[in-house]
Amino acid sequence: AQTVTQSQPEMSVQEAETVTLSCTYDTSENNYYLFWYKQPPSRQMILVIRQEAYKQQNATENRFSVNFQKAAKSFSLKISDSQLGDTAMYFCAFMGTSGTYKYIFGTGTRLKVLA
Amino acid sequence: AAGVIQSPRHLIKEKRETATLKCYPIPRHDTVYWYQQGPGQDPQFLISFYEKMQSDKGSIPDRFSAQQFSDYHSELNMSSLELGDSALYFCASSLAGLYEQYFGPGTRLTVT
Repeated sequence: AQTVTQSQPEMSVQEAETVTLSCTYDTSENNYYLFWYKQPPSRQMILVIRQEAYKQQNATENRFSVNFQKAAKSFSLKISDSQLGDTAMYFCAFMGTSGTYKYIFGTGTRLKVLA
Repeated sequence: AAGVIQSPRHLIKEKRETATLKCYPIPRHDTVYWYQQGPGQDPQFLISFYEKMQSDKGSIPDRFSAQQFSDYHSELNMSSLELGDSALYFCASSLAGLYEQYFGPGTRLTVT
């Protein structure tokens, strides 16, 4: 069974600084997708960035980028130039492709951006 | 662009009552997923439907049932509610063959 682990329950970063959130996963599948979701106090699940396992290139979306290490099964999220609006819970999610496409989430990292 | 619609947004029920949560997927999306997020927890997969047929089942209690209708909307029926059922229930939709799920705003269920 696939598992997703986020080992940092809480993190804080100064405004305009850079922070990296960690995520590791376990799977026997070769093709899969990984996601980072942001959940602000409104509790809405907002997609931040996605990575397809068969793509070597790390995904980037504006201030957000990932460091995808397939062999190490690691998928970290880097937030550059942190903004107060980045304060939220961040979930790493895995989706396999060999069965149905349910998401498996990590336990989340609560990020606080300090002014 | 149209998003996933969930109703109601908030629901308060007493123990042993029944609740029905509704989900309206993005137009043309044929797959619906239900997730349960307890307080301070990550979302847990409950059940999914593709083309009105159940496609996968997670840790969904037997007291819960769900279905997807001909217009692709889905309903999650919850009976004999327990205090532990208090949670945020998300619905997500996708188009078969595409990996990205689009989440609704959630229904916050409180059981007293």
